[in-house]
Amino acid sequence: GAGVSQSPSNKVTEKGKDVELRCDPISGHTALYWYRQSLGQGLEFLIYFQGNSAPDKSGLPSDRFSAERTGGSVSTLTIQRTQQEDSAVYLCASKAGVSTDTQYFGPGTRLTVL
Amino acid sequence: GIQVEQSPPDLILQEGANSTLRCNFSDSVNNLQWFHQNPWGQLINLFYIPSGTKQNGRLSATTVATERYSLLYISSSQTTDSGVYFCAVGQGGTYKYIFGTGTRLKVLA
Repeated sequence: GAGVSQSPSNKVTEKGKDVELRCDPISGHTALYWYRQSLGQGLEFLIYFQGNSAPDKSGLPSDRFSAERTGGSVSTLTIQRTQQEDSAVYLCASKAGVSTDTQYFGPGTRLTVL
Repeated sequence: GIQVEQSPPDLILQEGANSTLRCNFSDSVNNLQWFHQNPWGQLINLFYIPSGTKQNGRLSATTVATERYSLLYISSSQTTDSGVYFCAVGQGGTYKYIFGTGTRLKVLA
């Protein structure tokens, strides 16, 4: 079946604009992560969704960042009033459930804030 | 919070050579995974290995949890092994992983 998909693959925006990044997880996967990867760095946890439970938002760097997951499937990460330091690759991963450990990653969205 | 350090930061190998990548962590962990990020950015889970040893083809990994380190062995390296190798750790059954900064591997033909 299809893997995790993300759109857009690239996004260039101007400072101060809002952006929405989309993640389509593997069908049936109940857990979904968003990570941020700055140039040459490791992955930084942003947010975690598991089923219908309240998401863990503890990794979101500021209140300009928010995410939702509709119907337990597609997720959208929104960044309001983008800043240049928001430039990074945003990665989404899904896994089958809370008791499994293998995360399947999407190709990422490269965000550039001018 | 827990610190995750990987070494070496960069590694260049000739095709066919073997290598060992190391991941040190500063506190007890319940979860540890190794990932490979290819040169196009795609991340693949290699091993879930909070303790013990696992092997998958030319790759194997060992975690000594009591001494707070994990090793990833790559034997008979191939150019397709190039990329960045990350280890990520989790504590207390949490789903939240802390990633190291990675080892960038380049295998030359």
